[in-house]
Amino acid sequence: LAKTTQPISMDSYEGQEVNITCSHNNIATNDYITWYQQFPSQGPRFIIQGYKTKVTNEVASLFIPADRKSSTLSLPRVSLSDTAVYYCLVGGGNTGGFKTIFGAGTRLFVKA
Amino acid sequence: EAQVTQNPRYLITVTGKKLTVTCSQNMNHEYMSWYRQDPGLGLRQIYYSMNVEVTDKGDVPEGYKVSRKEKRNFPLILESPSPNQTSLYFCASSLRPGGTEAFFGQGTRLTVV
Repeated sequence: LAKTTQPISMDSYEGQEVNITCSHNNIATNDYITWYQQFPSQGPRFIIQGYKTKVTNEVASLFIPADRKSSTLSLPRVSLSDTAVYYCLVGGGNTGGFKTIFGAGTRLFVKA
Repeated sequence: EAQVTQNPRYLITVTGKKLTVTCSQNMNHEYMSWYRQDPGLGLRQIYYSMNVEVTDKGDVPEGYKVSRKEKRNFPLILESPSPNQTSLYFCASSLRPGGTEAFFGQGTRLTVV
């Protein structure tokens, strides 16, 4: 399974755009890139998933360069309620096995 | 509503007393997993199941058992719980493996004394 590397923590202010970058140098050809959000004592919540280029939904955008060795989760105009841990995962392509490995995640703290 | 339901949400038990944490999903997903989350160690996969009667070990399977007799249910069994299994447990389901678009349960906080 491809390992992912993210910053341990980030700080931001309300209303700002936050970009969290994830490195996954060994991503397999068929792997997807998936991001989750987790609040304390709650299960992770799916945010967005992509394979290449750009994906946008109602809560975030995901930018994936052509070489797919990294990806960037973009959260527009964050609020205090976006304070959480964000996880980047790669997999699902059936070539890396069926295990799921969560990295340490990025702890985002949004200040007023 | 699409959901993964775990029970119980909280459990305090004694060392050696067998227990089962249930997990049920209503999305007809083939792939289900159990994770434990501990401070400083993040989420670690215990077991996963690709389909009915197909299960395999994750990264931390010791001391746990699972079964998948029906597609919707994936119980986690601790035959002889020990204090080092005190943790927050999550069940998840998805259409595909590898962490893609998974739905997670609300968690079960287990304390073994």
